[in-house]
Amino acid sequence: GAVVSQHPSRVICKSGTSVKIECRSLDFQATTMFWYRQFPKQSLMLMATSNEGSKATYEQGVEKDKFLINHASLTLSTLTVTSAHPEDSSFYICSARLEAQFFGPGTRLTVL
Amino acid sequence: RKEVEQDPGPFNVPEGATVAFNCTYSNSASQSFFWYRQDCRKEPKLLMSVYSSGNEDGRFTAQLNRASQYISLLIRDSKLSDSATYLCVVRVIGGSQGNLIFGKGTKLSVKP
Repeated sequence: GAVVSQHPSRVICKSGTSVKIECRSLDFQATTMFWYRQFPKQSLMLMATSNEGSKATYEQGVEKDKFLINHASLTLSTLTVTSAHPEDSSFYICSARLEAQFFGPGTRLTVL
Repeated sequence: RKEVEQDPGPFNVPEGATVAFNCTYSNSASQSFFWYRQDCRKEPKLLMSVYSSGNEDGRFTAQLNRASQYISLLIRDSKLSDSATYLCVVRVIGGSQGNLIFGKGTKLSVKP
């Protein structure tokens, strides 16, 4: 199946720092990618839709100035968590769509 | 009412057993349906799409009842490697492009 990669797989950082997560589609071009967040024992929740060459579309309740998304090319989208706080600690997963959606392996963020 | 509802389980079954999971969805505009599996601390992986006519992939059979807004997954001859959380996933017409609504998942544990 289609392959989506994410980097890094795990981040531990201090409160107040910014963290950048990369999502790449390895064997196909993706004009649209999606960023999800999953807290323990909870469903995946869509945060935003990343559109190549234009602004991302954020879901209600997700702060666009805190979660910066850049979709610079057809194979790369980045999510930057700015001024991270402990409540931002979560499992962040990106995905890209062919017929179904394929997910990256996720990034586990821990903010101390 | 939750958009996608699943019995969280856990379902504890012996190897070789047949197990069935159910899922209901509330939005009649739902367009596409999928079962994903998610292993602990990993990303969701597509198991199979679900079609109105029902579809089978090896030991896995998925059924969709649009009138009842009900989806099922049947696993025959359970293997230890089937232990995971099974996510019922629905795409809604008019949602963000490719937006998926996830159930919280049903946990399956297959014992020797």
